[in-house]
Amino acid sequence: EMQLLESGGGLVQPGGSLRLSCAASGFTFSSYAMSWVRQAPGKGLEWVSSISGSGGSTYYADSVKGRFTISRDSSKNTLYLQMNSLRAEDTAVYYCAKASHLVYDAFDIWGQGTMVTVSS
Amino acid sequence: DIQMTQSPSSLSASVGDRVTITCRASQSIRSYLNWYQQRPGKAPKLLIYDASRLQGGVPSRFSGSGSGTDFTVTISSLQPEDFATYYCQQSYSTPLTFGGGTKVEIK
Repeated sequence: EMQLLESGGGLVQPGGSLRLSCAASGFTFSSYAMSWVRQAPGKGLEWVSSISGSGGSTYYADSVKGRFTISRDSSKNTLYLQMNSLRAEDTAVYYCAKASHLVYDAFDIWGQGTMVTVSS
Repeated sequence: DIQMTQSPSSLSASVGDRVTITCRASQSIRSYLNWYQQRPGKAPKLLIYDASRLQGGVPSRFSGSGSGTDFTVTISSLQPEDFATYYCQQSYSTPLTFGGGTKVEIK
């Protein structure tokens, strides 16, 4: 069974940093693009970042460009999101999602999400 | 950036009703349109990809249509487990964008 399990969320002060992890299982991790999607409390879904299967191509929403870094470690079957210079508006549930193949494909598997709260 | 506009933002319906949700893109996205269902407190679930292809395991009462800028998802006979929020998403170009969501509530 294909599964994604996020971790690393929590409470952080504005300007702080946090690294999210997403452990993948049940599929050949390096064959698929992966993404992070977030959802602020009571709001809709917002795409954050994507990375190709090889890790050679990365994409970011303008709202996080220059502050967040997506990466992957195929030896550990793990996706990461390094979040720096966090702002209150980054408060959200962060989901990792597997693409059905490439970056420009649908998200066919989602993790359960991890909550990030940015507050003093 | 491609803007995705869903309508309605919410609707009330009864079990057994036929329900249609619309999604409009601000420019042509060919058939790069996906639909997700999100139940409260849960992660989204892929229902339909490439505008009309049913994801494995999704009941056949769900169907999608459209291309270019106008798309719909239809639930032919609403079931109790279908009460949820539905999102469209374009995968034509980055930034990948979602519609604002349509909440389907019990009448």
